[in-house]
Amino acid sequence: KQEVTQIPAALSVPEGENLVLNCSFTDSAIYNLQWFRQDPGKGLTSLLLIQSSQREQTSGRLNASLDKSSGRSTLYIAASQPGDSATYLCAVHDSSGGGADGLTFGKGTHLIIQP
Amino acid sequence: GAVVSQHPSRVICKSGTSVKIECRSLDFQATTMFWYRQFPKQSLMLMATSNEGSKATYEQGVEKDKFLINHASLTLSTLTVTSAHPEDSSFYICSAGDRRNQPQHFGDGTRLSIL
Repeated sequence: KQEVTQIPAALSVPEGENLVLNCSFTDSAIYNLQWFRQDPGKGLTSLLLIQSSQREQTSGRLNASLDKSSGRSTLYIAASQPGDSATYLCAVHDSSGGGADGLTFGKGTHLIIQP
Repeated sequence: GAVVSQHPSRVICKSGTSVKIECRSLDFQATTMFWYRQFPKQSLMLMATSNEGSKATYEQGVEKDKFLINHASLTLSTLTVTSAHPEDSSFYICSAGDRRNQPQHFGDGTRLSIL
């Protein structure tokens, strides 16, 4: 069964720093990997989706990489801002179920950007 | 872009009450929708896959008679928590995607509190 692990569980850094969030998964048979942002008490906002054939995706100050063979992904946030404070979730879409399966999530990284 | 609407956002009710949560895809048709549950400080866990026009597929450990799912149209799935008890208190969130290789879109979630 797929397991997704995110490190660190929590991170607090001063504004302006560049930072990296890590995600690992146990089964490399995936369709894609997705990074989400969750604000307290809110739903999820999709940040980036990387297909299994891709190595990275970029959106603004965010860059996500994928190394499927080693079961790892990183989310790089450049020039962090207080508005980036949130919980960041990594989720994989397994390919073993023919694409009809839901996502498997990590527990998330709780990020605080200090003004 | 594609939007998923979930209602209600917050429910507080007495033990024994049945609670219905709706999930709508607003500008696309979704033959499949997913229901997740998130306990405090835990990952989102897939509960069931809602299939339009057929029975839902439940994950191991999820009681199908407790969590009734109806997906009567291509834009609406409902989750009914029957005879809810305090241990059912959680954050419930749905998702849908219009294509397999596109990001899943999530509703804003429903925070259910059973007294």
